[in-house]
Amino acid sequence: DQQVKQNSPSLSVQEGRISILNCDYTNSMFDYFLWYKKYPAEGPTFLISISSIKDKNEDGRFTVFLNKSAKHLSLHIVPSQPGDSAVYFCAAYNNNDMRFGAGTRLTVKP
Amino acid sequence: EAQVTQNPRYLITVTGKKLTVTCSQNMNHEYMSWYRQDPGLGLRQIYYSMNVEVTDKGDVPEGYKVSRKEKRNFPLILESPSPNQTSLYFCASRQGGAYEQYFGPGTRLTVT
Repeated sequence: DQQVKQNSPSLSVQEGRISILNCDYTNSMFDYFLWYKKYPAEGPTFLISISSIKDKNEDGRFTVFLNKSAKHLSLHIVPSQPGDSAVYFCAAYNNNDMRFGAGTRLTVKP
Repeated sequence: EAQVTQNPRYLITVTGKKLTVTCSQNMNHEYMSWYRQDPGLGLRQIYYSMNVEVTDKGDVPEGYKVSRKEKRNFPLILESPSPNQTSLYFCASRQGGAYEQYFGPGTRLTVT
């Protein structure tokens, strides 16, 4: 039962442009959402998060948007840099239960 | 340096040979968990622990055991590994009440 879905396995963008990674969820009880970034041969590292009472959270080049009615969140990276190339996981929390999406591999081309 | 460590990082073993993957964190976190990552499925939780001597099943606990005798350590035990347990395993920890988890570097396990 995939409660958190990242429907795009991969995304390629040009350096300097915007990267938009999407995530959909089915469980309306999720109350906190996170994005993790993973480089090869390393564990995921926390990137940015958002509470369900907000619709936007910004941290430097990274912005997460939450649309609760659509059960959709997105991560915007502006401007994209080659060092952003990694796998990005969306995660959602409900009462100590954390669910991850399958991940989207972002490639930023110089 | 605050970190979660796992050992071994790579392991190739044969069906039925018991193994243990260790996990240790130095952040005094209450909550620890184990995940496996498989292509197309993302990270799925195997077991978690909310504190010493308190453990519970995650989504895919079959074939695994855990123990939490000390706050810093949370080993994952495969009593009789099978090929379908070939995967990339991550240990994670977080402070009670916090959402952000800190992940170890991963253990790539191959069972032949």
